[in-house]
Amino acid sequence: GQQLNQSPQSMFIQEGEDVSMNCTSSSIFNTWLWYKQEPGEGPVLLIALYKAGELTSNGRLTAQFGITRKDSFLNISASIPSDVGIYFCAGPYTGNQFYFGTGTSLTVIP
Amino acid sequence: EPEVTQTPSHQVTQMGQEVILRCVPISNHLYFYWYRQILGQKVEFLVSFYNNEISEKSEIFDDQFSVERPDGSNFTLKIRSTKLEDSAMYFCASGAGTYNEQFFGPGTRLTVL
Repeated sequence: GQQLNQSPQSMFIQEGEDVSMNCTSSSIFNTWLWYKQEPGEGPVLLIALYKAGELTSNGRLTAQFGITRKDSFLNISASIPSDVGIYFCAGPYTGNQFYFGTGTSLTVIP
Repeated sequence: EPEVTQTPSHQVTQMGQEVILRCVPISNHLYFYWYRQILGQKVEFLVSFYNNEISEKSEIFDDQFSVERPDGSNFTLKIRSTKLEDSAMYFCASGAGTYNEQFFGPGTRLTVL
């Protein structure tokens, strides 16, 4: 199956700091989705990207669809404690088979 | 706000037993999915379902697995003869279209003893 690699694997940051994480694939994707998952819960959709180069914001979150269509980036500005969780990128290699990334675990220290 | 629901939240079963996990997707969605997440690992695609048939499945989704939409609202995943390695969180998701965003349910934790 397709492998989506996320980096960094984990981050420990101070409250108020900005966060950047990325997701790369060896294959071209037509859609990039970013999800956040908290312990014991299902992934929650944060941002969906559909066009190469697209930059989309959702509050303090901004995500970009890489122009090569093989990567995507997620930034969180002015982090707060409730940003804690695991962030996953995901995309459909084919129309209905979605692959998830390896995840970036975020810890925010108050 | 509409959401995907799943029952039960936790299922404990003996190895070799059959289990059925249930999901109610968002009502106007047409695409339905099952995913698995082994503790501490990434979310893995199992199967997608559209127009009352499987549209794609992964290598994980072998003959022990089946899916069904028995009525207009429910979407089920059946595991015929559970194995220890089937222990995981199982998530249902639904979406409005191909290549489109998916919305996940809270998951069912399956424990096989």
